[in-house]
Amino acid sequence: AQTVTQSQPEMSVQEAETVTLSCTYDTSESDYYLFWYKQPPSRQMILVIRQEAYKQQNATENRFSVNFQKAAKSFSLKISDSQLGDAAMYFCAYRSAQGSQGNLIFGKGTKLSVKP
Amino acid sequence: GAGVSQSPSNKVTEKGKDVELRCDPISGHTALYWYRQSLGQGLEFLIYFQGNSAPDKSGLPSDRFSAERTGGSVSTLTIQRTQQEDSAVYLCASSLRGQGAISGYTFGSGTRLTVV
Repeated sequence: AQTVTQSQPEMSVQEAETVTLSCTYDTSESDYYLFWYKQPPSRQMILVIRQEAYKQQNATENRFSVNFQKAAKSFSLKISDSQLGDAAMYFCAYRSAQGSQGNLIFGKGTKLSVKP
Repeated sequence: GAGVSQSPSNKVTEKGKDVELRCDPISGHTALYWYRQSLGQGLEFLIYFQGNSAPDKSGLPSDRFSAERTGGSVSTLTIQRTQQEDSAVYLCASSLRGQGAISGYTFGSGTRLTVV
């Protein structure tokens, strides 16, 4: 079974600085998808960025980028120019590319605080 | 609707009572997921509906938990004889068939269940 591990329960960053959140996963599959979700106090999970395992190029969405290391099974999230609104729980998630298995497998999350 | 709607937002119930949690997915989304988020934990998969196919119930923790989806739209998660360990946030998500890996899943804001 696939597992997702986030080793940093909490992280803190100064406003305008850069922070990297770690995520590792375990799978025997070669094709899959990886996601980072943000959960603010409103509880709604918001998709931040996604990565297809077959793509070597790291995904980027504005201030958010990932460092995808397939061999190491690592998928870290870098937030540049951190803003107060970035403060939230961040979850890393895995989804199999096999058609019938549609659910996401989540890590336990990292609570990010942003200091003004 | 414009988003995934869940009701109630918060529910306090006495141990031993039955509860029903409702999820109204985005119109046209054929895939619907229920997750449970316990305090300090990631999201735990409960059940997955895809169109008219038999649901994937592999994540339901006990036979006290059940879910149905009527008419391929609204879903109800029922917990019978609630226990204190059932206290958690229950999140619902939906996606277009085959699009979950591409566009991610749209989550609702969840129902916070407290069993006293």
